[in-house]
Amino acid sequence: EVQLVESGGGLVQPGGSLRLSCAASEFTFRKYAMSWVRQAPGEGLEWVSGISGSGNNIYYADSVQGRFTISRDNSKNTLYLQMNSLRAEDTAVYYCVKEGPRDAFDIWGQGTMVTVSS
Amino acid sequence: QSVLTQPPSASGTPGQRVTISCSGRNSNIGRKTVNWYQQLPGTAPKLLIYTNDQRPSGVPDRFAGSKSGTSASLAISGLQSEDEADYFCAAWDDSLNGFLFGTGTKVTVL
Repeated sequence: EVQLVESGGGLVQPGGSLRLSCAASEFTFRKYAMSWVRQAPGEGLEWVSGISGSGNNIYYADSVQGRFTISRDNSKNTLYLQMNSLRAEDTAVYYCVKEGPRDAFDIWGQGTMVTVSS
Repeated sequence: QSVLTQPPSASGTPGQRVTISCSGRNSNIGRKTVNWYQQLPGTAPKLLIYTNDQRPSGVPDRFAGSKSGTSASLAISGLQSEDEADYFCAAWDDSLNGFLFGTGTKVTVL
């Protein structure tokens, strides 16, 4: 079964850092673009960042540009999100998603909660 | 405008037809395909419609997507209790160089 499993969430103080990981299984990871999407408590979905299958093309939402870094290790079938200078407004469930046909997010992880609070 | 606009809520009785709109602009819906996601309470979102009107395997044909100009729509026919969920549209935006999600619509089955 195609699966994405996130890890690395938790409680962090404002200004702190956290690194999320997403382990992919049962599909050819290197062939697909991947993204991170977040959802603040009780709110809608917000795309955070995306990376091409090769890792050569990277995109960020304005809200995280300069603070977050997306990367991938195709030898380990793993996607990462390094989050620095965290703010209270970064508090959310972070989902790892696989991009399928025509930019559709066809596979979602279960999500990992990030709480930024003192 | 950095989001796609959806009505906050929609409702219907079992068996009725409900339609959800998604309004954007030329830089997103006007040039790109629209996808729809369903989020059941307490779960991760799931792809419901891709490339404007295509259903992934396993999605009932009660769900239908369409697009015209800078707007898109999701129609749910024969509404069922298990359709009670949040629905989000999404599209790539050429101006922002990123994906945009709709504001979300909560569907209630009365």
